[in-house]
Amino acid sequence: TQLLEQSPQFLSIQEGENLTVYCNSSSVFSSLQWYRQEPGEGPVLLVTVVTGGEVKKLKRLTFQFGDARKDSSLHITAAQPGDTGLYLCAGVSTNAGKSTFGDGTTLTVKP
Amino acid sequence: GAVVSQHPSWVICKSGTSVKIECRSLDFQATTMFWYRQFPKQSLMLMATSNEGSKATYEQGVEKDKFLINHASLTLSTLTVTSAHPEDSSFYICSARDSEQIQETQYFGPGTRLLVL
Repeated sequence: TQLLEQSPQFLSIQEGENLTVYCNSSSVFSSLQWYRQEPGEGPVLLVTVVTGGEVKKLKRLTFQFGDARKDSSLHITAAQPGDTGLYLCAGVSTNAGKSTFGDGTTLTVKP
Repeated sequence: GAVVSQHPSWVICKSGTSVKIECRSLDFQATTMFWYRQFPKQSLMLMATSNEGSKATYEQGVEKDKFLINHASLTLSTLTVTSAHPEDSSFYICSARDSEQIQETQYFGPGTRLLVL
């Protein structure tokens, strides 16, 4: 069973601060996705990373896929209250099939 | 693109009744769909993988006779919670993979809130 450890589990910060969320595994993934979920709604895809070492930017969000495709990070610059939500990473196994989800990071950005 | 819908968005039912939840991929075809259950402030728990034209693959501990899955077309999968009980109350979310995409990204529906009285 592939495990994907996500940290931190909870994060409460002030508006304007920076933060980083990590997803780590001992397994290699063919791709990895980051999602953001708000209460009562389904997860919304933020990004898919495929290539080892890949860096993608989405406005104030920067996503990085580890060189060995076993880990990933999400960095938010100058967080805003609208960034509040549950952030989930999901790794797709190299032999296809199911995705493995991290336990999620609940982010609260206080105005 | 890549929109997934779920219906209903919420349902309240009496104990012992069955509830059907639909998951549709609106602008793409999905040979594979997934059904998840989510408890408050927790991550997603995979219940089963739904494959078009074949039987679903259930995760360990998920009763296939309790949670019936049908994936009769490339755009529709249904989850039926049979003889629902209060402990089945939860947030159920489906996802779908675009059959034409190389990347195996899952696109999620908005979820269905089930409350069994």
